Amino acid sequence: GAVVSQHPSRVICKSGTSVKIECRSLDFQATTMFWYRQFPKQSLMLMATSNEGSKATYEQGVEKDKFLINHASLTLSTLTVTSAHPEDSSFYICSASTGGGTETQYFGPGTRLLVL
Amino acid sequence: GQNIDQPTEMTATEGAIVQINCTYQTSGFNGLFWYQQHAGEAPTFLSYNVLDGLEEKGRFSSFLSRSKGYSYLLLKELQMKDSASYLCAFLSGGSYIPTFGRGTSLIVHP
Repeated sequence: GAVVSQHPSRVICKSGTSVKIECRSLDFQATTMFWYRQFPKQSLMLMATSNEGSKATYEQGVEKDKFLINHASLTLSTLTVTSAHPEDSSFYICSASTGGGTETQYFGPGTRLLVL
Repeated sequence: GQNIDQPTEMTATEGAIVQINCTYQTSGFNGLFWYQQHAGEAPTFLSYNVLDGLEEKGRFSSFLSRSKGYSYLLLKELQMKDSASYLCAFLSGGSYIPTFGRGTSLIVHP
């Protein structure tokens, strides 16, 4: 149980385009999902917390107009990187919590974004 | 404030035992996680400790001392596939968002 999928796994795009990344909890309902970014050999950096049916909560320094988050259902959250630039190239990982008190986060397989 | 610290890198020999330490500081504590992350992949959950003591899961064990703000992950009978980054993360009181450490890169050699 507690499987999280992420799509696409890898994307290459031109500078200026927008990229949408989907995160799904496959066998549980996730009231809250999290979006992280990880640069090579760096730790996970929390970008935002995505709550179903309400606006996402962004971490300091993360532009909400640049990284659009939509958590439309209890099993799906999307992150859209708008007008992507080469500096946005990174490994984007989502996670979801099963709740129940332990708040263990289960991570999706990640999306590697390369902006040319 | 909140702080979490773990060694950057460790090396060990196949078949040996290795202990990865993690120290943390937080006002209020609601549990500590260990995750394994292979290069280029997302983290996978290993363990969760909220009470003091040792929790064993096969070759992996995790220990917590809340009074010392200290945890360790113990890996026995090391295999080459255990080469990965090991992330320590804690939940502060009243929060459901864990604070992650930078990770310890473990290299297992023959």
